[in-house]
Amino acid sequence: GAVVSQHPSRVICKSGTSVKIECRSLDFQATTMFWYRQFPKKSLMLMATSNEGSKATYEQGVEKDKFLINHASLTLSTLTVTSAHPEDSSFYICSALDRGGGYTFGSGTRLTVV
Amino acid sequence: AQSVSQHNHHVILSEAASLELGCNYSYGGTVNLFWYVQYPGQHLQLLLKYFSGDPLVKGIKGFEAEFIKSKFSFNLRKPSVQWSDTAEYFCAVIQFYFGTGTSLTVIP
Repeated sequence: GAVVSQHPSRVICKSGTSVKIECRSLDFQATTMFWYRQFPKKSLMLMATSNEGSKATYEQGVEKDKFLINHASLTLSTLTVTSAHPEDSSFYICSALDRGGGYTFGSGTRLTVV
Repeated sequence: AQSVSQHNHHVILSEAASLELGCNYSYGGTVNLFWYVQYPGQHLQLLLKYFSGDPLVKGIKGFEAEFIKSKFSFNLRKPSVQWSDTAEYFCAVIQFYFGTGTSLTVIP
């Protein structure tokens, strides 16, 4: 079946630095990928929809200058958390629309900003 | 406004008991409904989905869900749970809007 690989699985960074998270579709091409944020004991919150070759569409309340999304190829979307602060610490998950019309999730990235 | 409500935050059952997890949604357009499962330490996996047609949808591992349009509900059911069903379950509308999840613990 379709596989989405997310890297890194865990990252700790210092406040003020930037962190890049990668989301790759391993055996299919994904023109559309989604980025979510999951807070403890809360639901997944859609942050943005990433479209290959065009600008991402951000959900209301998500700072596009802070959460930079690049979908440069049909198998890779990246989320860069710029100038990270402790409040950005969270679990970030990506998903991709696969060839079967379903949505395959990555394993998530635990970001801790210290 | 779009929203998904899962009434049960934490459910504890004994093995072989029947399961029903509630999901109600509020959405103005055509709905596509999903149930996802997240086993401890693993990523989200699709259990089942409803796009159209038969409102009773069967998914993997013996799970099923029924779409009742008049009640804006899409409850998840399983007649007999197993210890391996211990996980977090999320209901979602059109992939974008997720409920807060229900943690299921099955006691052997």
